[in-house]
Amino acid sequence: DAMVIQNPRYQVTQFGKPVTLSCSQTLNHNVMYWYQQKSSQAPKLLFHYYDKDFNNEADTPDNFQSRRPNTSFCFLDIRSPGLGDAAMYLCATSPSSGGADEQYFGPGTRLTVT
Amino acid sequence: GQNIDQPTEMTATEGAIVQINCTYQTSGFNGLFWYQQHAGEAPTFLSYNVLDGLEEKGRFSSFLSRSKGYSYLLLKELQMKDSASYLCAFMDSNYQLIWGAGTKLIIKP
Repeated sequence: DAMVIQNPRYQVTQFGKPVTLSCSQTLNHNVMYWYQQKSSQAPKLLFHYYDKDFNNEADTPDNFQSRRPNTSFCFLDIRSPGLGDAAMYLCATSPSSGGADEQYFGPGTRLTVT
Repeated sequence: GQNIDQPTEMTATEGAIVQINCTYQTSGFNGLFWYQQHAGEAPTFLSYNVLDGLEEKGRFSSFLSRSKGYSYLLLKELQMKDSASYLCAFMDSNYQLIWGAGTKLIIKP
């Protein structure tokens, strides 16, 4: 089945220790998104790629970086995690960013910062 | 500016009907989505409305009034597995999704 996969599902890191979350997709979609979602809050868009074209949201902290080496994979790097970065990180894909397409979500990675 | 609002929590009884409302304000609009999110899981797509009116899909229906900036999700014949958060999100003029915080629906036997 075509899908969006995120690894790991649960990640524990120490305060200030860099961490990388990964996302892969078999849908061959052009657009990939990274969201941060805290409990009982709306998903917050961090950035998205249209193909290799990177789009950073204005309020995304510099502490968050992303890489998309090819169509299938996308990574979220948190350079120096703080306690406030503990959240669910959701990866999503859509066929294009110029149309009203639904977004397909991966299962998420729950990040704990100790 | 843009904003979107939905109730924080609702309670309903198994077998009953519940309506979850969503209001929004935006200058550019390319449709409204409803997603279901079970606790600790990713959102899954339920419905999309871009024209006024009711879209029915099994036990779930979604309604849109663009002039009123209003949508609702109607769930019929509620089952315990429908206990989840329901997020509405509109797509703005840049085709970006603007999300509500979600309505937590609690189903009681």
